[in-house]
Amino acid sequence: EVQLVESGGGLVQPGGSLRLSCAASGFTFRNYDMHWVRQVTGEGLEWVSAIATTGDTYYPDSVKGRFTISRENAKNSLYLQMSNLRVGDTAVYYCTRLNSSAYDYWGQGTRVAVSS
Amino acid sequence: SYVLTQPPSVSVAPGQTARITCGGNNIGSKSVHWYQQKPGQAPVLVVYDDSDRPSGIPERFSGSNSGNTATLTISRVEAGDEADYYCQVWDSTSDHFWVFGGGTKLTVL
Repeated sequence: EVQLVESGGGLVQPGGSLRLSCAASGFTFRNYDMHWVRQVTGEGLEWVSAIATTGDTYYPDSVKGRFTISRENAKNSLYLQMSNLRVGDTAVYYCTRLNSSAYDYWGQGTRVAVSS
Repeated sequence: SYVLTQPPSVSVAPGQTARITCGGNNIGSKSVHWYQQKPGQAPVLVVYDDSDRPSGIPERFSGSNSGNTATLTISRVEAGDEADYYCQVWDSTSDHFWVFGGGTKLTVL
């Protein structure tokens, strides 16, 4: 059974940093591109980062230069290092597996709150 | 930036058919995926590549895509289908390569 379990969320002040982790199991992690998708409470879904099997990374302009996605295949783990956090980054962050161009598995999410 | 437009809400009586649209410029040339999200839960993929269903998704869920509109159709709607539904595509010309629609709240009357 495929499982994605996020951790690392919490409350942080504006300008602060946070590192999210995602533990993957039930599939060959190194064979899949992995993404982070976030959702502000009561709003829609927003893609925030991607890492290919090759290690290539992708970001939208809204987080470029502030967020860094990485993976450790030996540990079946995905990470999101977030720095210079803004109030607008407050959201639930989901770890997702990309299959072709669709997200076929999602974690339960980890909540990030940026507030003074 | 590629924009996907969904109606904010759709209402349907139990047993009837719900149709949720997703509009985008020449969306028919792209693969469209649909997700169902119930309150407090993570999204679940219900249709991928326009019209395919993941294992475990009822046949009542189907999709189509042509021209500037993709449609998620839910037949014989049940109370348990009440949820938010999001469409999603990949667009290489967009800042957000992986683009989501704004979501549609399906209410079962």
